[in-house]
Amino acid sequence: EIVLTQSPATLSLSPGDRATLSCRASESIRSFLAWYQQKPGQAPRLLIYDASKRATGIPARFSGSGSGTDFTLTISSLEPEDFAVYYCQHRYNWPTFGQGTRLE
Amino acid sequence: QVQLQESGPRLLKPSETLSLTCSVSDGSVGRHYWSWIRQTPGKGFEWLGYIHHSGYRRYNLSLGSRVTMSVDTSQNLLSLTLNSVTAADTAVYYCARVNPSGTYVSGLTTSFDMWGLGTMVTVS
Repeated sequence: EIVLTQSPATLSLSPGDRATLSCRASESIRSFLAWYQQKPGQAPRLLIYDASKRATGIPARFSGSGSGTDFTLTISSLEPEDFAVYYCQHRYNWPTFGQGTRLE
Repeated sequence: QVQLQESGPRLLKPSETLSLTCSVSDGSVGRHYWSWIRQTPGKGFEWLGYIHHSGYRRYNLSLGSRVTMSVDTSQNLLSLTLNSVTAADTAVYYCARVNPSGTYVSGLTTSFDMWGLGTMVTVS
């Protein structure tokens, strides 16, 4: 099973800051990685798929990069509504998720 | 845009059967692949399986023979059945649509673009 490890576990920033979240795969998953945002009591929201493609309606301040084993989600300038938990997910064989990064 | 809504019993006893349905608002249940995914505080997200109205099914091997999924295109419903539940099956259960956009790997794309609100199921 391919394991996704996210870092840091918690990221403390302020509105207007740049956020950089990391997801590392235990083996290569090419570009088959997605990022989700989840707020308390809500379902996950797809932000990025195929490592770098923004999902429909996602603001341009969200960007994804990486391939192979190392991936990054960048939020260029944090808005108040961006403070949430972020998860990465792959489906190289079957879908698994990272443990999440809490952006506070 | 499409809305997904899970429903079913919220409280089960060990050894009982979990049965959930997911209503798809726009009648597109026959045009997409779907999944059930659950979330617990301890284990995080766990994918349970894929289903398509054509009969395609792929289940998480960790569930063994306990899991069954189905699609009812006439009712625009997805169904999940999980037998012999234990406390470890306590979770928030989501239905989700396989993203129709993106790179296809073995016939499916690799992300989930629409999720239901989720329903909390407790086994106690």
